Amino acid sequence: GQNIDQPTEMTATEGAIVQINCTYQTSGFNGLFWYQQHAGEAPTFLSYNVLDGLEEKGRFSSFLSRSKGYSYLLLKELQMKDSASYLCAVRVRSNDYKLSFGAGTTVTVRA
Amino acid sequence: ETGVTQTPRHLVMGMTNKKSLKCEQHLGHNAMYWYKQSAKKPLELMFVYNFKEQTENNSVPSRFSPECPNSSHLFLHLHTLQPEDSALYLCASSQARDSEDYEQYFGPGTRLTVT
Repeated sequence: GQNIDQPTEMTATEGAIVQINCTYQTSGFNGLFWYQQHAGEAPTFLSYNVLDGLEEKGRFSSFLSRSKGYSYLLLKELQMKDSASYLCAVRVRSNDYKLSFGAGTTVTVRA
Repeated sequence: ETGVTQTPRHLVMGMTNKKSLKCEQHLGHNAMYWYKQSAKKPLELMFVYNFKEQTENNSVPSRFSPECPNSSHLFLHLHTLQPEDSALYLCASSQARDSEDYEQYFGPGTRLTVT
């Protein structure tokens, strides 16, 4: 199986920046996803990285280093609505594609 | 309806009951998944169907029985569950398992409580 680690909880102030780290150990790596999940709702896709580097999408950015088995999700200009769980998921390819999830990081944004 | 829908959203059942969870996707996908999400734990993949054929069963107890009558519908039949089966059950869909476009789209889940 895959070993995917991310912090359990993080707290930040409205307007601030928070960085959520994700480390993984896997073979057959074929991309890394970040999902956002509000309490009681479906996980929704935020970003996908398959090559090293930074992908920016508005207030959210995601970084990948394949050699280090490391990714982070950066949330800028935090808003109260960003309070949610953020799931790191690694895709691997053997005969087909498999997606393995971390336990998620609960981010609480305070006024 | 758009995306992935699941019914019911909440379910309370006794250990001797039989119930079914339903998932429907309106995205034209060919693969569907059942996940179990327990508090503070990673999503656990339970079953995978690719073009209506079950391609994965991750050692799930037989008290959970999936059914996929077509590429748009997926069921999870439940019987004689245990209290530790209480969790959020998420359905997801994607293009075929061997497709590069593999992003999974999730339904809102069914919150199951076994008493």
